[in-house]
Amino acid sequence: QSVLTQPPSVSGAPGQRVTISCTGSSSNIGAGYVVHWYQQLPGTAPKLLIYDNTNRPSGVPDRFSGSKSGTSASLAITGLQAEDEADYYCQSYDSSLSGWVFGGGTKLTVL
Amino acid sequence: QITLKESGPTLVKPTQTLTLTCTFSGFSLSANGMGVGWIRQPPGKALEWLALIYWDDEKRYSPSLKTRLTITKDTSKNQVVLTMTNMDPVDTATYYCASRRSGSESFDYWGQGTLVTASS
Repeated sequence: QSVLTQPPSVSGAPGQRVTISCTGSSSNIGAGYVVHWYQQLPGTAPKLLIYDNTNRPSGVPDRFSGSKSGTSASLAITGLQAEDEADYYCQSYDSSLSGWVFGGGTKLTVL
Repeated sequence: QITLKESGPTLVKPTQTLTLTCTFSGFSLSANGMGVGWIRQPPGKALEWLALIYWDDEKRYSPSLKTRLTITKDTSKNQVVLTMTNMDPVDTATYYCASRRSGSESFDYWGQGTLVTASS
């Protein structure tokens, strides 16, 4: 059971907007630690999608955006495409655990 | 172009020690701000951070696994080695190494991963 809670699954039709939440606590996201997001396509290694809450690495489409408020963070995907079907993970630092933690992952299904 | 690749045994017996090597190119681990970490993923489960080594040889470990892990670097060979003692079937997972994005605690480049099975 991860200290960062994500919904197990979300879905949306092509072209729609979906959001994936990552809920933490006062020892991680709520303490001001930044949140990163990764996309893991089936059978492949994770790929950095968003770093430091809101920043996109070079090459990541601007359809992907991140936000953070209080003890939670969110990943938004607009203009949903079939190729976005993947698992998505959030990551942050937890001061009580003295280490980096990942969320349990969210499977995105494009209908 | 930054690349990383994990190597090591695919099968280990319970109680044995696992040694994994991450060989990378495209950056130097002696450069200020750089780091290499290890993350694992049991089949069908979530990612779990294991360890991280920085350019200045600072080392960080997952508290739950700290007593079993050792991370080292060989800057001249562009390699990072992770050892995990007393392997158990629950340690069966794909093990990834990844580079730390300079100035951030995110992992921006990942190896392809190597599946390690702990079984007698």
